[in-house]
Amino acid sequence: AQKITQTQPGMFVQEKEAVTLDCTYDTSDPSYGLFWYKQPSSGEMIFLIYQGSYDQQNATEGRYSLNFQKARKSANLVISASQLGDSAMYFCAMREGSGGTSYGKLTFGQGTILTVHP
Amino acid sequence: NAGVTQTPKFRILKIGQSMTLQCAQDMNHNYMYWYRQDPGMGLKLIYYSVGAGITDKGEVPNGYNVSRSTTEDFPLRLELAAPSQTSVYFCASSYAGGRNEKLFFGSGTQLSVL
Repeated sequence: AQKITQTQPGMFVQEKEAVTLDCTYDTSDPSYGLFWYKQPSSGEMIFLIYQGSYDQQNATEGRYSLNFQKARKSANLVISASQLGDSAMYFCAMREGSGGTSYGKLTFGQGTILTVHP
Repeated sequence: NAGVTQTPKFRILKIGQSMTLQCAQDMNHNYMYWYRQDPGMGLKLIYYSVGAGITDKGEVPNGYNVSRSTTEDFPLRLELAAPSQTSVYFCASSYAGGRNEKLFFGSGTQLSVL
């Protein structure tokens, strides 16, 4: 079974509007972390946001927020007030377990290409 | 601030050749990683290191080797290159876990094996 599923191969949004990128995950470990990374056409990977499995509140980082629904095992990324520079590939990723030997060992989804229209 | 530096940026290998992808970070991070990204896919972990002298396999280690003799450097060795190793390779580092667990990535190495 896929550990990270991103069901939207591509999404379109109008500039200045909000958009939600979907991510569902599968794990039996009670301790895990969820991440979103952005990959522009230039190819680099940019960290956006992190949510821990025990965090009570949804994570926010500027225009990015993570809609964490633990019972549904979903971790959707919400981008508010989209900008042309938000056009990129977006990856959801998960780290299972806790402790030093699990840090940074991420399982990535296949990504969603976001296109922002002016 | 150099961050994570990878060399080379591009390389073409013939089947059976070997090469080393270089990775260096100047952030004094203990954790370092090698990921590969096949076309249209997410990244997959090849090897990781939690500190100098300590390395371990990730999800797709076959055909690769690593070493970590210093905190700064984490080279990836490809032995007997195969077409299946055509990919973009990313080196990354991180400081710790939780909110400090974010990975800092290098700019990637695009490798073609023909």
